[in-house]
Amino acid sequence: QSALTQPPSVSGSSGQSVTISCTGTSSDVGSYNRVSWYQQPPGTAPKLMIYEVSNRPSGVPDRFSGSKSGNTASLTISGLQAEDEADYYCSSYTDSSTLVFGGGTKLTVL
Amino acid sequence: QVQLQESGPGPVKPSDTLSLTCGVSGHSISSNNWWGWIRQPPGKGLEWIAYIYYTGSTFYNPSLKSRVTMSVDTSRNQFSLKLTSVTAVDTAVYYCSRTHCSSSSCYIDYWGQGTLVTVSS
Repeated sequence: QSALTQPPSVSGSSGQSVTISCTGTSSDVGSYNRVSWYQQPPGTAPKLMIYEVSNRPSGVPDRFSGSKSGNTASLTISGLQAEDEADYYCSSYTDSSTLVFGGGTKLTVL
Repeated sequence: QVQLQESGPGPVKPSDTLSLTCGVSGHSISSNNWWGWIRQPPGKGLEWIAYIYYTGSTFYNPSLKSRVTMSVDTSRNQFSLKLTSVTAVDTAVYYCSRTHCSSSSCYIDYWGQGTLVTVSS
């Protein structure tokens, strides 16, 4: 299975919005709503931010939102805050009943 | 609160077998969840390795399948990973995890703190 494709880096000023894309294939992202997003600050374990494309776990700010169109899922962070600076990873369920991650995107808050 | 804790023997020599165990507390491993492993080489991204159901059913990353075996011990509420014939490219932080899958979703909701495994002679 090939890793999902994410941009290596994105940046935005405090208060602005950024969107991180996650492109897969018809064998994963395109066929399932089982797409999730994780936030990983340096030196820590990843944290679930979005599941089932657009659902937020309890405790995750509503500034975080997710969507999907075809083979591409997206994570949007609005009202950027300094604490949002981290690496972000998408993940999808696959036709083989496995999971696959994206390569990760480093978010810099200017 | 679900807690997962990785444990292992420390450094591993090339060609040896890497063995890790994940102890689960605060939740029965015999539940409707999948228990798995993810790794992250230093400075790189996440790679999904495998997961197991308490019944013993397993799914593996195709790229690692020939070298990976997972097992579960419901009496000790823990599960394990074995990776054979390791090389330097297997050096990584290994995370154990709980994955919740349903008809409409499949996501990792709990992670261990991670343990760095270094492959070196």
